[in-house]
Amino acid sequence: DQQVKQNSPSLSVQEGRISILNCDYTNSMFDYFLWYKKYPAEGPTFLISISSIKDKNEDGRFTVFLNKSAKHLSLHIVPSQPGDSAVYFCAASAVSGAGSYQLTFGKGTKLSVIP
Amino acid sequence: KAGVTQTPRYLIKTRGQQVTLSCSPISGHRSVSWYQQTPGQGLQFLFEYFSETQRNKGNFPGRFSGRQFSNSRSEMNVSTLELGDSALYLCASSGPGGLWTGELFFGEGSRLTVL
Repeated sequence: DQQVKQNSPSLSVQEGRISILNCDYTNSMFDYFLWYKKYPAEGPTFLISISSIKDKNEDGRFTVFLNKSAKHLSLHIVPSQPGDSAVYFCAASAVSGAGSYQLTFGKGTKLSVIP
Repeated sequence: KAGVTQTPRYLIKTRGQQVTLSCSPISGHRSVSWYQQTPGQGLQFLFEYFSETQRNKGNFPGRFSGRQFSNSRSEMNVSTLELGDSALYLCASSGPGGLWTGELFFGEGSRLTVL
């Protein structure tokens, strides 16, 4: 059972426009939601996060929105730049059965920003 | 501050062999977790270690094992390799509260190819 879903494997956006990446989840016990960015041949890097008690968090060009009732979050990148081209992973944190926290990732969305 | 270091970066093995991968976390980080990334499957959690103890384990067969040393360095081992074990294996470390907030620091990964 996939608890974190990214239904769009890829997305292409023109430079300067808005990129919107979506993520759905099923586990209502998730405490934190995050986005990671991954370039080829590199490890993922943390991009932005949001606590389950908030509905929006903004950091420069990146904004994450959380809709708990719909179990949906999205990442907005405005304006999109060619350097944003990467795979974006949605992730969520919850207490595991062992009592510590565990991070669950989606399958990723490959964003291509076209100059 | 040095990042997470994984060795080796690339390796090729044949079916039935075993492999050991190494991870040195960021200095001061006591939690080390491992993930497997395969095309179309995103990042799948393998296990997490804290102070030499395995706190969490993902849904992988017993052929996948790991350990953590007193200096927080960690190793993972895969025995009786199968073709399907070909993947990028990522190690991540986190400081206090890192797993709760989901802010992990990843290494560049070890790319394993099984022939």
